[in-house]
Amino acid sequence: LAKTTQPISMDSYEGQEVNITCSHNNIATNDYITWYQQFPSQGPRFIIQGYKTKVTNEVASLFIPADRKSSTLSLPRVSLSDTAVYYCLVGDLRAGNNRKLIWGLGTSLAVNP
Amino acid sequence: DTGVSQDPRHKITKRGQNVTFRCDPISEHNRLYWYRQTLGQGPEFLTYFQNEAQLEKSRLLSDRFSAERPKGSFSTLEIQRTEQGDSAMYLCASSFSASSSNEQFFGPGTRLTVL
Repeated sequence: LAKTTQPISMDSYEGQEVNITCSHNNIATNDYITWYQQFPSQGPRFIIQGYKTKVTNEVASLFIPADRKSSTLSLPRVSLSDTAVYYCLVGDLRAGNNRKLIWGLGTSLAVNP
Repeated sequence: DTGVSQDPRHKITKRGQNVTFRCDPISEHNRLYWYRQTLGQGPEFLTYFQNEAQLEKSRLLSDRFSAERPKGSFSTLEIQRTEQGDSAMYLCASSFSASSSNEQFFGPGTRLTVL
């Protein structure tokens, strides 16, 4: 099982760039790295997914080094509405089989004014 | 609204009663997942359907829990003889198998309180 480790909490201020790093030392060859965001009393929401190097979309960037043992979610210029819990998941989500995925505690990001 | 919907949003029941939750996925999604989430924890996978077939079940899903997806569209999750430890948020998600990322779209959840 690909276990992930990420900081329990982080604090930032509006307008800053936030980087959340996730460690996954035993990532398997077929595993992808996926990040979800969850607001209180809501279901999680997909942010970004990658396999290696860098992936960027309209909300975030994902940096994955060559050894793939870690990844960094980068949120540019955060706002108060980015206050949420961010989960790093490692596994072959494409297969649909979620039985082996472990969500963990996530990183609780607090954006201050 | 064409997102995933769940009903009810809240359920309060007494210990020992049976409860049933419903999930309506996004219409073209053939995969459907159930998760359980307690306060301060990440979601825990319970079970997964592809179309009407239940392909995976977590060991967390005891014999008091049963899920169905009879026509490959909506799904129900039933908990029999509820216990206080069943109190949690029950989340449903759906995805499309042809999606390269298998992005899962989550519903708002059903919050269960067992007294």
